[in-house]
Amino acid sequence: AQSVTQPDIHITVSEGASLELRCNYSYGATPYLFWYVQSPGQGLQLLLKYFSGDTLVQGIKGFEAEFKRSQSSFNLRKPSVHWSDAAEYFCAVGAAGGADGLTFGKGTHLIIQP
Amino acid sequence: AAGVIQSPRHLIKEKRETATLKCYPIPRHDTVYWYQQGPGQDPQFLISFYEKMQSDKGSIPDRFSAQQFSDYHSELNMSSLELGDSALYFCASLFGRNTGELFFGEGSRLTVL
Repeated sequence: AQSVTQPDIHITVSEGASLELRCNYSYGATPYLFWYVQSPGQGLQLLLKYFSGDTLVQGIKGFEAEFKRSQSSFNLRKPSVHWSDAAEYFCAVGAAGGADGLTFGKGTHLIIQP
Repeated sequence: AAGVIQSPRHLIKEKRETATLKCYPIPRHDTVYWYQQGPGQDPQFLISFYEKMQSDKGSIPDRFSAQQFSDYHSELNMSSLELGDSALYFCASLFGRNTGELFFGEGSRLTVL
């Protein structure tokens, strides 16, 4: 069964500092990997996705993520965070073919300090 | 661009009542997924439909049922509501089954009193 682990429940970062959110996955076949962001009471917005090809993917809002197959990781990064980045971030894994939807990690709550 | 539309956005029910949530996928999307997100939790997969047929089943209680109609919209019916059913219910849609990229609606927040 597929699973996603986000080791950090909360992360606090100063505005302007760099950010890395960790994500490790377990999946038997070729995974599709996603990062979603959720503001309080809102829906899930896709930040970026990895299907194949270049292992460094660029997303919206200045985010990027790197797929490392050897480490089963798909960490999310941003060189300089803004106060508006404060939100809940979910890493998700899906099957190639998308038939079974996505399995989400527990999420990482990002707090931005002024 | 058109997005996934969910209604109602907010719903308050009493215990043991029934509730129906509706989801209108992005035009031409033929696959619909339902997720339940409890307070402070990650979204949990409930059920999915592809071309109006049930595709996969997750942790959906027996008290819940769902279907996808000929126009591809889907409805989640919840009966004998319990306090623990209070959650944000997301619908997501997908075109075809090879992209894997789900587009999520804004969610329907159900509060059971």
